[in-house]
Amino acid sequence: GEDVEQSLFLSVREGDSSVINCTYTDSSSTYLYWYKQEPGAGLQLLTYIFSNMDMKQDQRLTVLLNKKDKHLSLRIADTQTGDSAIYFCAGAISGQNFVFGPGTRLSVLP
Amino acid sequence: NAGVTQTPKFQVLKTGQSMTLQCAQDMNHNSMYWYRQDPGMGLRLIYYSASEGTTDKGEVPNGYNVSRLNKREFSLRLESAAPSQTSVYFCASGTSGSSYEQYFGPGTRLTVT
Repeated sequence: GEDVEQSLFLSVREGDSSVINCTYTDSSSTYLYWYKQEPGAGLQLLTYIFSNMDMKQDQRLTVLLNKKDKHLSLRIADTQTGDSAIYFCAGAISGQNFVFGPGTRLSVLP
Repeated sequence: NAGVTQTPKFQVLKTGQSMTLQCAQDMNHNSMYWYRQDPGMGLRLIYYSASEGTTDKGEVPNGYNVSRLNKREFSLRLESAAPSQTSVYFCASGTSGSSYEQYFGPGTRLTVT
């Protein structure tokens, strides 16, 4: 089945760009997602990309998909302290077949 | 529009006790999910319901039962709690059709002693 991997920690300075990376094993994932989890809260859907797209931009967020390498990244421009959270990558083949990565904890230093 | 609500927020059980976690959504979604979150392991699907009256097992269903009471509500029951079920439980509802977006509740933190 699908396996999704992420690095566990990332630290950046306020104002810099953050890049969070994710690799997945199942090329039949139809959609790939980025979720954000703040302390004590549920997951919040940030953005998603369809597997036939290479890039999607939404304000400060840019998602890049390299299907050949099965690599997904989330770039956050002008990172702010409010962006400190855990970011989860997830892949879906169908509505019941979601696989989440372990999450990357982003720390934004002033 | 409350989105997805879960009760309770926190619960402590002794081994062998039972309890039901409640979830409700007001977004008119057909699909609903129960996940557990353990440190360093992401989210793992316990059960899934594609529509009212249907439920399917996910990756880790052992020790749990679910009930899709109506379109809005999806409950998770632990019949005989074990320490291995200490976790944070999230309910989600989702769009069906093309993009499978999921929307999560705030979670229930369960400790089994």
